[in-house]
Amino acid sequence: DVKVTQSSRYLVKRTGEKVFLECVQDMDHENMFWYRQDPGLGLRLIYFSYDVKMKEKGDIPEGYSVSREKKERFSLILESASTNQTSMYLCASSRDGPSYEQYFGPGTRLTVT
Amino acid sequence: AQKITQTQPGMFVQEKEAVTLDCTYDTSDPSYGLFWYKQPSSGEMIFLIYQGSYDQQNATEGRYSLNFQKARKSANLVISASQLGDSAMYFCAMREHGSGNTGKLIFGQGTTLQVKP
Repeated sequence: DVKVTQSSRYLVKRTGEKVFLECVQDMDHENMFWYRQDPGLGLRLIYFSYDVKMKEKGDIPEGYSVSREKKERFSLILESASTNQTSMYLCASSRDGPSYEQYFGPGTRLTVT
Repeated sequence: AQKITQTQPGMFVQEKEAVTLDCTYDTSDPSYGLFWYKQPSSGEMIFLIYQGSYDQQNATEGRYSLNFQKARKSANLVISASQLGDSAMYFCAMREHGSGNTGKLIFGQGTTLQVKP
């Protein structure tokens, strides 16, 4: 059974804290993604990675960075959390190729106070 | 410009009836793929169905079918014989193949479906 796991389901952090969200997939997928989901806006891509140590900005990268040191792990970093980063964060992975679907983790609901 | 549009924020359907969720898209890439995902209240995104732009036939997966009208740039999801467990948010998404094989998806805003007993 394919699996994408995220380090926390719920997280509460204070403004200015450095926040790490971890994502691990066990399917040997080349591509990994971080999205944030907000009501009425759907899913918006923050960053993605198509290989170890390779990353590309998505649509809303400001205030975020990522790290992919191993193929199975993709980390999202909020350097200095702000209240407008309160959101649901979803990680996904997929194989290379145009018709392959993305597999999603359960999501992390982050609240920044 | 919005590339994926889902105009129905919320919909109701009676159990056992069919329901159509609308999705229109905009792309100049001749090669693309369209996906539908389901997100129950638990939060996980579940892949439902895929349609490639060059596929001749509409995709079907069990009770899900995709009504693909290329000239109108629409890719509506049809759920037949609705069940209470179909109550969820549904997202339409597109991948433009010109963006390479990185698999980047563009999502619509979502439609919340409630199935009434």
